[in-house]
Amino acid sequence: NAGVTQTPKFRVLKTGQSMTLLCAQDMNHEYMYWYRQDPGMGLRLIHYSVGEGTTAKGEVPDGYNVSRLKKQNFLLGLESAAPSQTSVYFCASSAHVPGQRFPNSLHFGNGTRLTVT
Amino acid sequence: AQSVSQHNHHVILSEAASLELGCNYSYGGTVNLFWYVQYPGQHLQLLLKYFSGDPLVKGIKGFEAEFIKSKFSFNLRKPSVQWSDTAEYFCAVNARDTGRRALTFGSGTRLQVQP
Repeated sequence: NAGVTQTPKFRVLKTGQSMTLLCAQDMNHEYMYWYRQDPGMGLRLIHYSVGEGTTAKGEVPDGYNVSRLKKQNFLLGLESAAPSQTSVYFCASSAHVPGQRFPNSLHFGNGTRLTVT
Repeated sequence: AQSVSQHNHHVILSEAASLELGCNYSYGGTVNLFWYVQYPGQHLQLLLKYFSGDPLVKGIKGFEAEFIKSKFSFNLRKPSVQWSDTAEYFCAVNARDTGRRALTFGSGTRLQVQP
């Protein structure tokens, strides 16, 4: 049982390049999230998904796109990377609380450290 | 929109000292509350959570937190810290009746426990 798996673990990009971060979960969770972590700013929500084929914007969505074509996968894309996107990116997933429309506790992946030069 | 404030950015304690980390949120409706811990080089792990019921919640590794609705607070406590508690601690909130099914995190508190 792998939980939440993120690939790649590290990546260096040049300004203007594009890339896709992959998140996969094997817990059959409905909800999936992409957060970025920056020193002194905690975790900020980029985009999230409450089910296959659905996505929603978080607090800092600009410059990112996401897709959830399969329930177990949540992709985060950077179309034209900028130095401001240098960060550690965490994917997380959650089951919904039975009978409720809010998430239970989040399960996190190990993170992707992205540097944009 | 809900927000979370963690006023202690960096706390240094000696082993066996008591710990209290502050967390305040800014939403007047019903909330779910969480504390996560991130050990150096690792991902976030759940310490404890509050959804309803007894406002004093016990979590793993001897941690507990108290929900005080009138103060919009969910402070984390531990009676006696160990060197292995050195980590970053994050408070998070989900505003249940907004329809936004995501957690908002605070900026974190870095705890350093000296042997």
